Amino acid sequence: NAGVTQTPKFRVLKTGQSMTLLCAQDMNHEYMYWYRQDPGMGLRLIHYSVGEGTTAKGEVPDGYNVSRLKKQNFLLGLESAAPSQTSVYFCASSYRAGRVISGANVLTFGAGSRLTVL
Amino acid sequence: DQQVKQNSPSLSVQEGRISILNCDYTNSMFDYFLWYKKYPAEGPTFLISISSIKDKNEDGRFTVFLNKSAKHLSLHIVPSQPGDSAVYFCAANMDSNYQLIWGAGTKLIIKP
Repeated sequence: NAGVTQTPKFRVLKTGQSMTLLCAQDMNHEYMYWYRQDPGMGLRLIHYSVGEGTTAKGEVPDGYNVSRLKKQNFLLGLESAAPSQTSVYFCASSYRAGRVISGANVLTFGAGSRLTVL
Repeated sequence: DQQVKQNSPSLSVQEGRISILNCDYTNSMFDYFLWYKKYPAEGPTFLISISSIKDKNEDGRFTVFLNKSAKHLSLHIVPSQPGDSAVYFCAANMDSNYQLIWGAGTKLIIKP
């Protein structure tokens, strides 16, 4: 009963390097999200996806790209890492039934990926 | 423009007493309010939610109160236990919108 799994859990990068964070969920959720959490701030949405093959920008998308080629996976890419991208990244997923969206948006989160850019 | 605010970064409460965590919001269009709990090195986990058409929702030791006129909600934990020590996030979403708006979180410390 894995839920949402993020890899890697920790990573140290040098400025300008690239990397990809992988998120996998086994709950058959349609919606997936990437957030970042910084000290003293709430969770900020980077990108999200409402289904396989679709992605959209969130609140802080600059410097990141995403892909959702399979329903269960959501990848977050950093093409040229910057120190400002040092953060803890959380992937989440949620379920919506049918075409009608309603109700409280209950997300299931992964354990987080701590990224340090030197 | 912070639509959801948690003005207390931290709160310390004696074990067995009541913990009250507060959250204010500015957008009257929010339809649902949620509380998430987060332990160190883990992702947030959903705790309890309330619809904007209600003023109270209870689940065991956890009760959320909503005051729409004041745009304020609070989470009550009674009695507080050591395992309740965590960061609590308040979040909100509108019906027909899947994007959650998050507060900055309040760190709750339960003292033995």
